[in-house]
Amino acid sequence: DTGVSQNPRHKITKRGQNVTFRCDPISEHNRLYWYRQTLGQGPEFLTYFQNEAQLEKSRLLSDRFSAERPKGSFSTLEIQRTEQGDSAMYLCASSLHYLAGVPYEQYFGPGTRLTVT
Amino acid sequence: GEDVEQSLFLSVREGDSSVINCTYTDSSSTYLYWYKQEPGAGLQLLTYIFSNMDMKQDQRLTVLLNKKDKHLSLRIADTQTGDSAIYFCAERGAAGNKLTFGGGTRVLVKP
Repeated sequence: DTGVSQNPRHKITKRGQNVTFRCDPISEHNRLYWYRQTLGQGPEFLTYFQNEAQLEKSRLLSDRFSAERPKGSFSTLEIQRTEQGDSAMYLCASSLHYLAGVPYEQYFGPGTRLTVT
Repeated sequence: GEDVEQSLFLSVREGDSSVINCTYTDSSSTYLYWYKQEPGAGLQLLTYIFSNMDMKQDQRLTVLLNKKDKHLSLRIADTQTGDSAIYFCAERGAAGNKLTFGGGTRVLVKP
């Protein structure tokens, strides 16, 4: 078990460019989450998948953001026409959800730090 | 909506106990969590407590939950310099689909 991995770890882009991040969850985990963390703040929920289905999206996820998990394994998060306000750490987490009433802890990856210049 | 609040900063001497406090508003919270974040790293799950419990102990960590006041605390016994980090509390609501985090408490352990 190698944990949740994210690539790239750092991304610097110019305003208006598109960027894509990848998350590889823990292999047997069926749920995958994306959070955004700005400097000095706690993570904020963006969206989550159960297998390949995207089941919930936050109002933070504007129409410039799209996330996919095509085969129920890795996920990508794309930001189109980036803005300076998109600069943040993008965190991915995964969990094993199989039964109501269990904690199914979310395990986080190291994050992708995006800087929009 | 859900809201989670934490104090910003705590300074403690090595060997002393640290107590980090958190308040939340969602009365339907099912589980409450404590995560640790070191510089440049992701979040490490430290411990969690189910909402029908009032205390959980895990080695040097003690979690206290006052559900009536919606108050959660994390006590770290014998604090070490390696405990210096940002600590986040988070709650999971009844829908169980996401975590709502506080803003984090930066803990500085002085030798």
